[in-house]
Amino acid sequence: NAGVTQTPKFQVLKTGQSMTLQCAQDMNHEYMSWYRQDPGMGLRLIHYSVGAGITDQGEVPNGYNVSRSTTEDFPLRLLSAAPSQTSVYFCASRLSGSANNEQFFGPGTRLTVL
Amino acid sequence: AQRVTQPEKLLSVFKGAPVELKCNYSYSGSPELFWYVQYSRQRLQLLLRHISRESIKGFTADLNKGETSFHLKKPFAQEEDSAMYYCALNWKGAQKLVFGQGTRLTINP
Repeated sequence: NAGVTQTPKFQVLKTGQSMTLQCAQDMNHEYMSWYRQDPGMGLRLIHYSVGAGITDQGEVPNGYNVSRSTTEDFPLRLLSAAPSQTSVYFCASRLSGSANNEQFFGPGTRLTVL
Repeated sequence: AQRVTQPEKLLSVFKGAPVELKCNYSYSGSPELFWYVQYSRQRLQLLLRHISRESIKGFTADLNKGETSFHLKKPFAQEEDSAMYYCALNWKGAQKLVFGQGTRLTINP
């Protein structure tokens, strides 16, 4: 199993550009989520999904869109990038109804918006 | 609102000394708490969860509902314990995981 994979590892954008961060998992996990990690602020939840076709907002959803057409994939779209979106982005997944609710994280995508 | 607070951004101790990373939470329901760790150049991974009452890599954490705390402790720190540590709280039927700000632990030789 590859676990949770994310592409790209690094990305530089100009203000106003759009892009999609890719996330995939091969563990058949129903639950997937996106976080951003900023110094001094920990990880903050952007969006999450409890299954294909179902998504919901987290703490900081503005400026981001998600969709979940398959169990395996959960892409995060930046519609019009802003410097405030410079961050490290982590995707995570877990089984729904898991007694221990452990989340498995991807390696992260470091995004810089100029 | 649900909140997790880690008051120390940085913590530095000597090898062999005891270490305690503080975590306080605010939550009106029954909390489910975790410690996650991120070693250099590695992924964020689960260290331990309060429901299991386990010791992992010599670390333990006890949930104190009276003080709303879930401090992480280890009696004798090792250099390989140097990492970023996050306390996290599950809420809303385990659909959202709220993280603290993180504590960077450095173990000096």
